[in-house]
Amino acid sequence: EPEVTQTPSHQVTQMGQEVILRCVPISNHLYFYWYRQILGQKVEFLVSFYNNEISEKSEIFDDQFSVERPDGSNFTLKIRSTKLEDSAMYFCASTPGQGAGYEQYFGPGTRLTVT
Amino acid sequence: RKEVEQDPGPFNVPEGATVAFNCTYSNSASQSFFWYRQDCRKEPKLLMSVYSSGNEDGRFTAQLNRASQYISLLIRDSKLSDSATYLCVVKSSGTSYGKLTFGQGTILTVHP
Repeated sequence: EPEVTQTPSHQVTQMGQEVILRCVPISNHLYFYWYRQILGQKVEFLVSFYNNEISEKSEIFDDQFSVERPDGSNFTLKIRSTKLEDSAMYFCASTPGQGAGYEQYFGPGTRLTVT
Repeated sequence: RKEVEQDPGPFNVPEGATVAFNCTYSNSASQSFFWYRQDCRKEPKLLMSVYSSGNEDGRFTAQLNRASQYISLLIRDSKLSDSATYLCVVKSSGTSYGKLTFGQGTILTVHP
């Protein structure tokens, strides 16, 4: 069964450093998402991406964040200058459509630890 | 008011018990409703969609009341493997490109 993959599984970085989290969505999917979950808190929407551009972003997704689909298979989330509060699980998701009947498939997540 | 609100629990029940979780949502324009399951430090996985007519999948029954903006999940004959966090999730309509809004989650522990 096709699945969303994410690398790395765990990333440790120092405050102020740039990190890139990588995702490979399911191949025929058209809509892509990043969510994050701070330990002990709920899953929060960050950004949605369709047709090679951001379609919606949350208040969390400020100028420090960017997304890219550089080669038609990878979907990346970049955090330019990490802060301690960016420590969280980051989940990528994809779906073939965004209507009522379409399921979003989540990757296993990247645990980001900012020290 | 939180967009999606759940009782965080925890619910501790013996094997074989029936347990019910409730959820309310604030956006009356919400389009689709789901229950996801999340195991510790893992990704959310779709358990079932929730329809206005109510729907059942084996031991799991979901109900939606649009007038009250209320969603429920009933688990019958609980198994040890049902221990997880259950997430109430709402998909927005309109200009939102399928954004999912999650509740805090309800923790369920099933013990022998």
